[in-house]
Amino acid sequence: EVQLVESGGGLVQPGGSLRLSCAASGFTFSSYAMSWVRQAPGKRLEWVSGLSGSGGNTYYADSVKGRFTISRDNSKNTLYLQMNSLRAEDTAVYYCAKDSWVNLVTYCFDYWGQGTLVTVSS
Amino acid sequence: EIVLTQSPATLSLSPGERATLSCRASQSVSSYLAWYQQKPGQAPRLLIYDASNRATGIPARFSGSGSGTDFTLTISSLEPEDFAVYYCQQRSSVTFGQGTRLEIK
Repeated sequence: EVQLVESGGGLVQPGGSLRLSCAASGFTFSSYAMSWVRQAPGKRLEWVSGLSGSGGNTYYADSVKGRFTISRDNSKNTLYLQMNSLRAEDTAVYYCAKDSWVNLVTYCFDYWGQGTLVTVSS
Repeated sequence: EIVLTQSPATLSLSPGERATLSCRASQSVSSYLAWYQQKPGQAPRLLIYDASNRATGIPARFSGSGSGTDFTLTISSLEPEDFAVYYCQQRSSVTFGQGTRLEIK
C-alpha cells in the first residue's frame, strides 16, 4: 500500500525557515517523480515544486523560486522541501504527491499525503 | 499561466441524480487534464486523468470527457459519498481550477 506521510510543519515568523519531510513507502520511490502541492485556507490547490525520480531535475512555481528548495534522499525514501524567507502568503497545508507514471515527470498525482500545516505569522 | 475556470461554483443535487461539472482552460491543454475529489480534512484523490481515463479503483459512475479547452466530469448517479469538492488540474504548466462544491440538496 502506498503511503506518504508529511512532517515538519508548524508556526514560523515571517522571514524564517522550515524544512518539510515526506516519508514514502509501498512503491519504488526512486522510480517516481514527486511534487509538493499546497492549499491555503479556503483557496485552490497550488503546485509548488517537483523533481524527477533521480533528483537531477527540479521545478518550481514562480511564487517560490529562489526561496524554496526541493530535494530527495532515495536511500531513505524521503522527499524534502526547504523553505526560506517565508511570507504570510506561504501559509497553507503542504501535501506531497506522487507522480503516476514511472520514470517520467507528468504532474498527474495518483497518491497524496495527508498534509502538514505551515503557518507564517508574527 | 494557464487558468482553469470551473463551473458551477456550487452544485446542489440529491443522491441518485446525475452531476455534470465543467472545467474551461484559458488556452488549449490538449487532453492533459485530471479531476480530483477532496473531502474535508482529506487529501485530494485522483479520479480521472488525461481527460477521460478513470484512475485505479474509481467507480464506473465517474466519467470524463473533453479536449482542448473544455472538459466535463460526469457522475452518472450520485452516491452519498460523492458529495465533496472537485478540482480539475492541467499538467502542461500545472495549475488547478478553483473547485466545484457538490452538496446535498
